[in-house]
Amino acid sequence: DGGITQSPKYLFRKEGQNVTLSCEQNLNHDAMYWYRQDPGQGLRLIYYSQIVNDFQKGDIAEGYSVSREKKESFPLTVTSAQKNPTAFYLCASSIRPGLESDEQFFGPGTRLTVL
Amino acid sequence: GQNIDQPTEMTATEGAIVQINCTYQTSGFNGLFWYQQHAGEAPTFLSYNVLDGLEEKGRFSSFLSRSKGYSYLLLKELQMKDSASYLCAVRVLNDYKLSFGAGTTVTVRA
Repeated sequence: DGGITQSPKYLFRKEGQNVTLSCEQNLNHDAMYWYRQDPGQGLRLIYYSQIVNDFQKGDIAEGYSVSREKKESFPLTVTSAQKNPTAFYLCASSIRPGLESDEQFFGPGTRLTVL
Repeated sequence: GQNIDQPTEMTATEGAIVQINCTYQTSGFNGLFWYQQHAGEAPTFLSYNVLDGLEEKGRFSSFLSRSKGYSYLLLKELQMKDSASYLCAVRVLNDYKLSFGAGTTVTVRA
């Protein structure tokens, strides 16, 4: 059963701690993405990656870091430098950037709450 | 970034039709996507338009006018399960990432 998994679904952390959110896909997709969603707002792009060992900053990358050591995995670290980390985090993947209808498939999301 | 505008909320009655508009301002337009998102869940793909005209998929249709920077998503024969947020997203040439609008929350009433 192919898909995207994110874990955990709910995560609580104390202020000042770094936390890493997991994202794994077995769809053999080349591209992966991380978005943040706040109440009443659309999805904002944090980081994206077209191929292994390569990634680019999105619109709101400050306070976040990523790695893409394997095609299947794209973990996101929320560092203590991120001023307002409490949000719903969504990971997505797409087959191959440049394809005309390269739709993105989303994972179930991780709701991070920083206390 | 791209300027993408959608209404914040819409309410309609079960069995009725609702049209969700999306306007965008961008250079190098290369496709528009509509996603559905139920509260607390992941967005799911509904439709894709890159040429002018109407794309129909069962009860859902999506229309695009590139010259006007305008799209709409039409939901027919509304069901209670259609209560969700509907997100419009735009892609530009030479870039594969999407820019999303804030979403339109549709509430279907009995």
